[in-house]
Amino acid sequence: GQQLNQSPQSMFIQEGEDVSMNCTSSSIFNTWLWYKQEPGEGPVLLIALYKAGELTSNGRLTAQFGITRKDSFLNISASIPSDVGIYFCAGRGYSTLTFGKGTMLLVSP
Amino acid sequence: DVKVTQSSRYLVKRTGEKVFLECVQDMDHENMFWYRQDPGLGLRLIYFSYDVKMKEKGDIPEGYSVSREKKERFSLILESASTNQTSMYLCASSLRWKNEKLFFGSGTQLSVL
Repeated sequence: GQQLNQSPQSMFIQEGEDVSMNCTSSSIFNTWLWYKQEPGEGPVLLIALYKAGELTSNGRLTAQFGITRKDSFLNISASIPSDVGIYFCAGRGYSTLTFGKGTMLLVSP
Repeated sequence: DVKVTQSSRYLVKRTGEKVFLECVQDMDHENMFWYRQDPGLGLRLIYFSYDVKMKEKGDIPEGYSVSREKKERFSLILESASTNQTSMYLCASSLRWKNEKLFFGSGTQLSVL
């Protein structure tokens, strides 16, 4: 099946720092999604992107659908301790979603 | 809000046992999914269903089967549990086929001893 490369695998940052993570694919996707999973819970949808070049924000989170349709980026500004969790990208071509392996984010107060 | 409920948070089973994981959604969603989540491997799709009594294999269906007798309920079955099936299992649902917004349950952590 299709594969997504998500990086970095983990990040340990100080509160207030900005965070960037990205996903790349060898295949073209029609939709990119970003999910967050907090400890002991299932993933929750943060942002959905439907068009190449699209830039969408949700509070302190901003995500972009790459022009080539093979990548996507998620930025978190001014991180806070409750941003801790695993962030997953997911892409859809013509079938089911393919998930990245996740970026574990730890935020030190 | 959509609620996806998985019947057990933690399960411990022995090798060779038959295991049922149950999932119920309350928003009349057409599609339901079972994923397993393992450290370093992310979420991998086991099976999905886009209608009652319909099922499709995902990326890693070996050793699993599913049942969807009612629209709101999707069961994952391990016919003969093995230690390599120790994992976190996540159920999800979505409104329509290719509707991207998956709603996940809280997960079942299964340990097979």
